[in-house]
Amino acid sequence: AQTVTQSQPEMSVQEAETVTLSCTYDTSENNYYLFWYKQPPSRQMILVIRQEAYKQQNATENRFSVNFQKAAKSFSLKISDSQLGDTAMYFCAFMKPLERGNKLVFGAGTILRVKS
Amino acid sequence: EADIYQTPRYLVIGTGKKITLECSQTMGHDKMYWYQQDPGMELHLIHYSYGVNSTEKGDLSSESTVSRIRTEHFPLTLESARPSHTSQYLCASIAPRGLAEAFFGQGTRLTVV
Repeated sequence: AQTVTQSQPEMSVQEAETVTLSCTYDTSENNYYLFWYKQPPSRQMILVIRQEAYKQQNATENRFSVNFQKAAKSFSLKISDSQLGDTAMYFCAFMKPLERGNKLVFGAGTILRVKS
Repeated sequence: EADIYQTPRYLVIGTGKKITLECSQTMGHDKMYWYQQDPGMELHLIHYSYGVNSTEKGDLSSESTVSRIRTEHFPLTLESARPSHTSQYLCASIAPRGLAEAFFGQGTRLTVV
């Protein structure tokens, strides 16, 4: 079974600064998807960024980027130029390829607070 | 905004009542999921479905049941609500192909008194 571990229950960052959220996972699969989802207070969960394991290049989406280390099974999220609207719960998630089953496994989450 | 809807958003109900939490999506997604989110915010998969007439129990044991008679509809039912069922319930769906992004509803916050 796959497991996802987020070792930082809470993080704080000053507005405009950079913060990195950690995630490790355990799997015997070679091909899979990794995700970071964001859940703002009282709002819908939305996708922040996605990484396909067969791609060596780290994914980036504007101010969000990942450091994907496949051998180490590590998938950290870097948020640059933090904004107040980035305050949310962030979940790291793992999923096998669609044809191999589709359970989306989440880590315990990291609460990120951006301070002005 | 994703086209996946949950109703009601909030529900306070007495012990022993039967309740159904609704989840609908208009994207034609085959795969749908129910997660229970505890006060610590951790997400636990309680049910999933790969298509019509397909339902499976998730990793967290739950007294709830689900059905999937139509692609777009994935309701969750509690036959006899108890205070231990108090939680937030999130519904999600994933497209059958492509980039595997999950879309989530806004959640139902259930309180059983």
